[in-house]
Amino acid sequence: GQQLNQSPQSMFIQEGEDVSMNCTSSSIFNTWLWYKQDPGEGPVLLIALYKAGELTSNGRLTAQFGITRKDSFLNISASIPSDVGIYFCAGSSNTNAGKSTFGDGTTLTVKP
Amino acid sequence: DGGITQSPKYLFRKEGQNVTLSCEQNLNHDAMYWYRQDPGQGLRLIYYSQIVNDFQKGDIAEGYSVSREKKESFPLTVTSAQKNPTAFYLCASSIGARGGGDTQYFGPGTRLTVL
Repeated sequence: GQQLNQSPQSMFIQEGEDVSMNCTSSSIFNTWLWYKQDPGEGPVLLIALYKAGELTSNGRLTAQFGITRKDSFLNISASIPSDVGIYFCAGSSNTNAGKSTFGDGTTLTVKP
Repeated sequence: DGGITQSPKYLFRKEGQNVTLSCEQNLNHDAMYWYRQDPGQGLRLIYYSQIVNDFQKGDIAEGYSVSREKKESFPLTVTSAQKNPTAFYLCASSIGARGGGDTQYFGPGTRLTVL
């Protein structure tokens, strides 16, 4: 089946630093999604990308849909303590309609 | 308020007992999903349903069962056949094929502990 490689697995940064994480796939996706999960809660959708090359921002977050449709990245600028959590990427394709493939997550720790 | 609800938030059961986890959505979404999450790991798909009265197995369906009798509801039963049922269970929904959207929205999760 389709698989996503999400990296890095974890990050420890200082408050105020910028963060970058990415996902790559051997398969082409039509949609890339980025979620954040707080401990003990369900993932919350941060950014949805529907077009190759698309660059979308949501406050301090910026995500891009790779031009090859096989990768995506998420950047967080000027991190703050509440950015702590697990960030997941997810991709879906028309050939696998109804099912998304999730990365294993990037655990972000922000030190004040 | 529109959204997805899961109940209860925490559930404890004795080994050998079946247990049913609730998932309800009022988003008018056609598709619903169940995932399992273990500590430090990603999401694994258990079952999904793209329309009422229809559902398909995901990657780890063994030991689980579902029903989709109503559009709003997609309960998951963890049976005694599931060898390691203690986990965090997440339900999600999406517009589905009619809307061309696969963007999934998640509930708050149920943490199941089998003693």
